Amino acid sequence: NAGVTQTPKFQVLKTGQSMTLQCAQDMNHNSMYWYRQDPGMGLRLIYYSASEGTTDKGEVPNGYNVSRLNKREFSLRLESAAPSQTSVYFCASSGGLAGGWYEQYFGPGTRLTVT
Amino acid sequence: AQSVTQLDSQVPVFEEAPVELRCNYSSSVSVYLFWYVQYPNQGLQLLLKYLSGSTLVKGINGFEAEFNKSQTSFHLRKPSVHISDTAEYFCAVSDTTGGFKTIFGAGTRLFVKA
Repeated sequence: NAGVTQTPKFQVLKTGQSMTLQCAQDMNHNSMYWYRQDPGMGLRLIYYSASEGTTDKGEVPNGYNVSRLNKREFSLRLESAAPSQTSVYFCASSGGLAGGWYEQYFGPGTRLTVT
Repeated sequence: AQSVTQLDSQVPVFEEAPVELRCNYSSSVSVYLFWYVQYPNQGLQLLLKYLSGSTLVKGINGFEAEFNKSQTSFHLRKPSVHISDTAEYFCAVSDTTGGFKTIFGAGTRLFVKA
């Protein structure tokens, strides 16, 4: 099993450009998440999808959109990139059965720089 | 709402010495607790978790943590560290009421010196 995969690994954008970060998991998990990691701030949740067909805002959703394409794939889109979106982005997934809680499995990350 | 405080941003320690990484949380409901480890240029991976039962939980690589409900703490310990334990460690908390949000602490960078 590949686990959680993310593409691309690195990306440099100019202010105002758009891009989509791709994430896929092969663990048949119901729930998927997008986080950003900034120095000294831990991980902050951008959006999550509790199950296929649903998406919800997390702590820092402004400037981002998401699509849960199917059970395996969850993409994150930056419509008009800003320097404040320079960060490392992580996708994660978890089993998320109703009433329970499971640990999250993380991808290797995408390092994004906006100039 | 929950919050997590990791009390040390950096912990330097000599190889084979014991280490404790401190984590305190606040929550108005019951919680699940996790420790994750992040090696350089990698994603996070689960070190251990507390869901219920025994308050002392053991994880991978010889780490253990103790859930203390009265002190709202979940400190991570290892009796003897190795150079390979150098990494960033994150404490995390989630509620048990069916939510899907996990709150992460700011991280503690463990640096093991020879």
